[in-house]
Amino acid sequence: LAKTTQPISMDSYEGQEVNITCSHNNIATNDYITWYQQFPSQGPRFIIQGYKTKVTNEVASLFIPADRKSSTLSLPRVSLSDTAVYYCLVGGISSGSARQLTFGSGTQLTVLP
Amino acid sequence: SQTIHQWPATLVQPVGSPLSLECTVEGTSNPNLYWYRQAAGRGLQLLFYSVGIGQISSEVPQNLSASRPQDRQFILSSKKLLLSDSGFYLCAWSPRDYIYEQYFGPGTRLTVT
Repeated sequence: LAKTTQPISMDSYEGQEVNITCSHNNIATNDYITWYQQFPSQGPRFIIQGYKTKVTNEVASLFIPADRKSSTLSLPRVSLSDTAVYYCLVGGISSGSARQLTFGSGTQLTVLP
Repeated sequence: SQTIHQWPATLVQPVGSPLSLECTVEGTSNPNLYWYRQAAGRGLQLLFYSVGIGQISSEVPQNLSASRPQDRQFILSSKKLLLSDSGFYLCAWSPRDYIYEQYFGPGTRLTVT
């Protein structure tokens, strides 16, 4: 079971690029890396998922080095509305891995004006 | 498109009373279904997940139970609520064998008094 470590909180300013790093030293061969965003009083929202190298979508980019022991979620030009908790999850994607689902405490990102 | 419904949105119940929270999903077939609980300021705790009708896996010993009477219906129940059952309850679904792409409902805020 891959344990993840993220910073508890981060501050940024509007318009800046934000990088949130997640450490997962004992990631398994068949594990994927997934990031979620959660606003207060709402359920988490799926942002991005990757296995290796780089993945980009309309919201964020995910950078995964060759050893896959860490990953970085990159949010370009953040705005105040990006203030939220960001969770990094690591695990297998099949139903048999569901019991390993762990959201942890996440990273509280606060975007300042 | 897929939609997930949860109700009620808020609930205040006395200690010892029963509980029934319902979740339904539209626009998809054979989803995996999940119940999570989130205490104030904490991460999400996976309570139950289901890969099919009548198939329930429990992750945390407690006085809660779950049932899946239909393919897209998931119910969380308790015979007697405890104060410690207070929290934000979230239902989610994912495609079968793609558990990390989860889509969450609006949640139920339960306060046990």
